[in-house]
Amino acid sequence: QVQLVQSGAEVKKPGSSVKVSCKASGDTFNSYAISWVRQAPGQGLEWMGGIIPFFDTAHYAQKLQGRVTITADKSTKMAYMELSSLRSEDTAVYYCAILASGSAPFDPWGQGTLVTVSS
Amino acid sequence: SYVLTQPPSVSVAPGKTASITCGGNNIGTKSVHWFQQRPGQAPVLVISYDSDRPSGIPERFSGSNSGNTATLTISRVEAGDEADYYCQVWESSSDLLYVFGTGTRVTVL
Repeated sequence: QVQLVQSGAEVKKPGSSVKVSCKASGDTFNSYAISWVRQAPGQGLEWMGGIIPFFDTAHYAQKLQGRVTITADKSTKMAYMELSSLRSEDTAVYYCAILASGSAPFDPWGQGTLVTVSS
Repeated sequence: SYVLTQPPSVSVAPGKTASITCGGNNIGTKSVHWFQQRPGQAPVLVISYDSDRPSGIPERFSGSNSGNTATLTISRVEAGDEADYYCQVWESSSDLLYVFGTGTRVTVL
């Protein structure tokens, strides 16, 4: 059973960048894709993008294209999500989640990382 | 882009049945997944591929999908079922690729 453990909460200034990490346990890191989903306070879930570590290929939601970069390190079983040019609207809990295939559900999820953007 | 519409809230008495709808254009042609999210916790998969129940999810949770509406049904509702519920689909023709519903807060009276 794969488990995902994310890095801790961050507080960032507007205009800066944040990089959130997600460590996978188990031997199946290269078999799946890892997606990132965020949730603003009191709001719903929003898919940001994902990566297939085996192929090192990433896809992004058009809305965030140019500001988000998702990477993976197969040797350490780590995935990363970097968001740049932060604004207050980026304040949210950021989750990583496993995606077994294109139409598969997100399962399991990391515990979430709160990113607060404030001056 | 593809839109999934859910009722903002559903209230149900303990022991009764809660039905949560997820409306989308021809959603019956897609695979729908449902997630439960308790306050302060990460989402948990409760129904996959329209009606499959993952290991550990009670039989009280069931799903269906046809036409323009998918439905999550919770039978014999318990206090612990109080949470937000989200539907989700893969929409390969959308710029979003993965679309979540607007979410439904289930309140147990």
